[in-house]
Amino acid sequence: DAGVIQSPRHEVTEMGQEVTLRCKPISGHDYLFWYRQTMMRGLELLIYFNNNVPIDDSGMPEDRFSAKMPNASFSTLKIQPSEPRDSAVYFCASSAPSGGKREKLFFGSGTQLSVL
Amino acid sequence: KQEVTQIPAALSVPEGENLVLNCSFTDSAIYNLQWFRQDPGKGLTSLLLIQSSQREQTSGRLNASLDKSSGRSTLYIAASQPGDSATYLCAAGGNTPLVFGKGTRLSVIA
Repeated sequence: DAGVIQSPRHEVTEMGQEVTLRCKPISGHDYLFWYRQTMMRGLELLIYFNNNVPIDDSGMPEDRFSAKMPNASFSTLKIQPSEPRDSAVYFCASSAPSGGKREKLFFGSGTQLSVL
Repeated sequence: KQEVTQIPAALSVPEGENLVLNCSFTDSAIYNLQWFRQDPGKGLTSLLLIQSSQREQTSGRLNASLDKSSGRSTLYIAASQPGDSATYLCAAGGNTPLVFGKGTRLSVIA
């Protein structure tokens, strides 16, 4: 199994530009999570999906952030317009159906986002 | 709202030493407690998962314990090695997705 795949690994952009982060969960997993990691705040949950449906987006910091999951094998996190304070590592994670959100999470390698 | 705290933030030990990493959580109504390892520039890898009905889990040189009543978990690493150097994060799972601590950055010196 290839694990959770995220792209790109690194993204450098200028303030005001649109940024799209991509995630392919492990096949068969029905929960998908987007987390953001910074030194100051640690790992924060942004949004999570179950069977492609957004369940809780209360962690999305502003309307500039949006996430979609058009099918079971693909999700995107979009920031428009981007700001320097959005600079962080963004992780995608998925979990297996046997235990849902209460079971083991598998993380991707993350996208290091730098907004200049 | 669940809060997870890990102390210390960083720890340096000589190779071969046994060590304990601490994790505390504010809401004891958890379903499980998980420990993860994160290497620099990498994602998180799950090490151990303790269900709320369990007291401990072991994997090789790692042993994690859980005391729900006191809101504490510990990760014990036996005979530490330089390859154990990484950041270790604990996370509490309840009715909401996992809430993470900020981690303990461990350095094992050869």
